[in-house]
Order: sequence, then C-alpha cells, then structure tokens
Amino acid sequence: EAQVTQNPRYLITVTGKKLTVTCSQNMNHEYMSWYRQDPGLGLRQIYYSMNVEVTDKGDVPEGYKVSRKEKRNFPLILESPSPNQTSLYFCASSLFYGSYEQYFGPGTRLTVT
Amino acid sequence: QQQVKQSPQSLIVQKGGISIINCAYENTAFDYFPWYQQFPGKGPALLIAIRPDVSEKKEGRFTISFNKSAKQFSLHIMDSQPGDSATYFCAAKETNAGKSTFGDGTTLTVKP
Repeated sequence: EAQVTQNPRYLITVTGKKLTVTCSQNMNHEYMSWYRQDPGLGLRQIYYSMNVEVTDKGDVPEGYKVSRKEKRNFPLILESPSPNQTSLYFCASSLFYGSYEQYFGPGTRLTVT
Repeated sequence: QQQVKQSPQSLIVQKGGISIINCAYENTAFDYFPWYQQFPGKGPALLIAIRPDVSEKKEGRFTISFNKSAKQFSLHIMDSQPGDSATYFCAAKETNAGKSTFGDGTTLTVKP
C-alpha cells in the first residue's frame, strides 16, 4: 500500500529534551516536507526536501532541523523543544518538486511541557 | 501575510443540505487550487482540485466553483451526509513551486 508513515504518533516531552520524529514514504517520491497544524492557523510548512541531501527552509523553520540521507526518509529533529512547539505535525510527499498532489502522513501530536 | 483566507471556521449542516466553504487568495501566480479533507486522527487527503482555466469542476457530490477575477473559489457539498463531517482545507499552489499555501480550515459537522 502506498503510504507515508510517521512515528511516533503521540509524544509528550519536556522542554529541552532532544527528539526526532521519523517520516518514511514508499512511493519513491523525490519531494518531502514537514508541516505543523495549529488551531486557526492551518498548515504551515516547516522544511522541505527536493531530493536526497537537498533541503530548505519553509515558512516556520525556527527550532527545527531536518536531514535527507535516503530518498524514503525525512526525519524532523527538535534539538531543544519548547512549549511553543506543541503542535500536530504532518509529513507529506510528492512525486517531485512541482507535483500538484501531496500525500500526507497520519500526523504526530507533540506536547512539550 | 495570509495568502489564502478561508471561511467559515466552522459549519453545521443538516443531513441532505448543501455545505459551502469559501476561500480567497491574493497571489495571482497561483494556478492550482485543491481542497483537502481531514478526518480526526488522519492526515489531510486530496478531495478535489481545479485549475483557473475552468470555472467549475464537479466530482460526485463535491463541486468547486472558481472565480478568477474575484480571486475566490468555493467548495460545495451537495446532499451532505454525516460521513462528510471532517475538516476541510483549501489550498493554492504555483506551477513549479514545491509547497501549497493552505487556508485555516473549516470544521464541518453534518447532523443526522
């Protein structure tokens, strides 16, 4: 089944404790991105990757890091999480950078206390 | 600067009624306008999309109406069903751009 998977689905952590949210897609997509979803703010892009070893900032990159060492994986790293990063996070992938349709993962709900 | 404005924030419709969600955009370079449907606990999924060369696109009970001069587009759900209860996001994208710009979302509740 073609899909985007994320782990963990739920995470509660404390301020300053480094964490990684994994994202993997099995569709051989070149383009992957991370969004955060907050009430009343819709989906805002954090980082994106056009291909292996090619990443760039989205609209709200502060406090986040990403890497793309393999085509299928695009982990999101929070090196020192803060309460304002409490949010619902989605990973998405597309066939290539200019593709119209995005495929979203199921989401990761992160709470930072 | 919010490039895609969506309204209403929430909508309650009786079963069998018509649900209408509106979006307005500012960037005239946008040339693809999708709607995503999101059920609780799930990621958004593409529902229907339109390009600006047509004024309307219909797929089953779902219709997008597009007004290029007004820079507005809307989603109409005919004969709304309780199973349509979800959050709906409009979005806009430029050709050759990576990301879509999303509206804030509309939570639709269809009462039986």
